[in-house]
Amino acid sequence: QVQLVESGGGAVQPGRSLRLSCAASGFTFSRFAMHWVRQAPGKGLEWVAFISYDGSDTYYADSVQGRLSISRDNSQNTLYLHMDSLRAEDTAVYYCARGRDGYISSWGQGTLVTVSS
Amino acid sequence: DIVMTQSPDSLPVSLGERATINCKSSQSVLYSSNNKNYLAWYQQKPGQPPKLLLYWASTRESGVPDRFSGSGSGTDFTLTISSLQAEDVAVYYCQQYYTNARTFGQGTKVEIK
Repeated sequence: QVQLVESGGGAVQPGRSLRLSCAASGFTFSRFAMHWVRQAPGKGLEWVAFISYDGSDTYYADSVQGRLSISRDNSQNTLYLHMDSLRAEDTAVYYCARGRDGYISSWGQGTLVTVSS
Repeated sequence: DIVMTQSPDSLPVSLGERATINCKSSQSVLYSSNNKNYLAWYQQKPGQPPKLLLYWASTRESGVPDRFSGSGSGTDFTLTISSLQAEDVAVYYCQQYYTNARTFGQGTKVEIK
């Protein structure tokens, strides 16, 4: 079955960088588009970024454009989210998610990123 | 970006009764070339990641009970739980995937009255 396991979260100071990873298994990773979605504590879901199956297309929410970067390594079945110039408002659980025909069909358990001095 | 607005924010419903959640998009998510509405519904239980319930506004994901149904077109959509069960207590989100920048509604919390 589809498994998505995020890692790399933790506590980081404002202005610093962090890289999240998502290890995919149970499906042919290279055939599916992927997303990152985040959820601030006690808040709703916020879509963050999309990458096409081959990495040729990427899209971002306005709130993260220029600071967060999505990428993938199909040879390693791994999705990444590079996060620069982190702000307190980036504090959230970050979910890795698999796309299907445009919508999100499967979700990981999430990894918590806390930005605080 | 397309803004998705759900109503109500909170919905107390008695067990066995119908629950209806509305979702309105700031512009149409109906793609005329294939007549499909690019609208999905997700369920999130406490402490868990979201789970896909419906896509194309009304197509139920495999394994989702048939008490969950979706309707609507264009800008106005509805998620209906025909007979609320205890395990349906959750927050429900709609999401449009019509544009590259996907957007979610703010969520509707369904609880037992």
